[in-house]
Amino acid sequence: AQKITQTQPGMFVQEKEAVTLDCTYDTSDQSYGLFWYKQPSSGEMIFLIYQGSYDEQNATEGRYSLNFQKARKSANLVISASQLGDSAMYFCAMREGRNTGNQFYFGTGTSLTVIP
Amino acid sequence: GAVVSQHPSWVICKSGTSVKIECRSLDFQATTMFWYRQFPKQSLMLMATSNEGSKATYEQGVEKDKFLINHASLTLSTLTVTSAHPEDSSFYICSLRRVNEQFFGPGTRLTVL
Repeated sequence: AQKITQTQPGMFVQEKEAVTLDCTYDTSDQSYGLFWYKQPSSGEMIFLIYQGSYDEQNATEGRYSLNFQKARKSANLVISASQLGDSAMYFCAMREGRNTGNQFYFGTGTSLTVIP
Repeated sequence: GAVVSQHPSWVICKSGTSVKIECRSLDFQATTMFWYRQFPKQSLMLMATSNEGSKATYEQGVEKDKFLINHASLTLSTLTVTSAHPEDSSFYICSLRRVNEQFFGPGTRLTVL
């Protein structure tokens, strides 16, 4: 089974509108972390937001917020007030456990295009 | 500032040659580094986990004799693509972990002619 599932290959959003990028995950671990990264055309992986499995509140970082629904195993990214510079690939990722060597599982990504 | 650096950022080589990519941890000592490969419009695929002072752990389907990994110090891991072929052309990214954070290098774009 896929560890991370992103069902939206591509999304469009009007500038200044909000957009939600979907992510579901699969794990039997109690301790895990969920991440969202932005990858512009340059290829650099830019960290956006992190949610720990024991965090009770949804993570927020500026215009980014993570809608964490643990029972449903979903960790959707919400971008508010979209900007043209938000156009990029977005990857949801998960790390299981506490071991520093645990690998990172990536979703297939969502290509976001912000329309002026 | 940057936590992870990679060198070179891009490289073009002839088929049959070997290419070495360096990944450096700039901010802390990393006993474990990860190497990923990304083909155009695809996700990052883990190739191997590099362990300081010991052999790397390769993912299924990754040829360890083709992709040589050396993690000689706590701040440096190298990936050598031996006898490169055009199908090895890809974007290679290293990564390392610090507690709850996961950092990625800027990537190396390899083109094999």
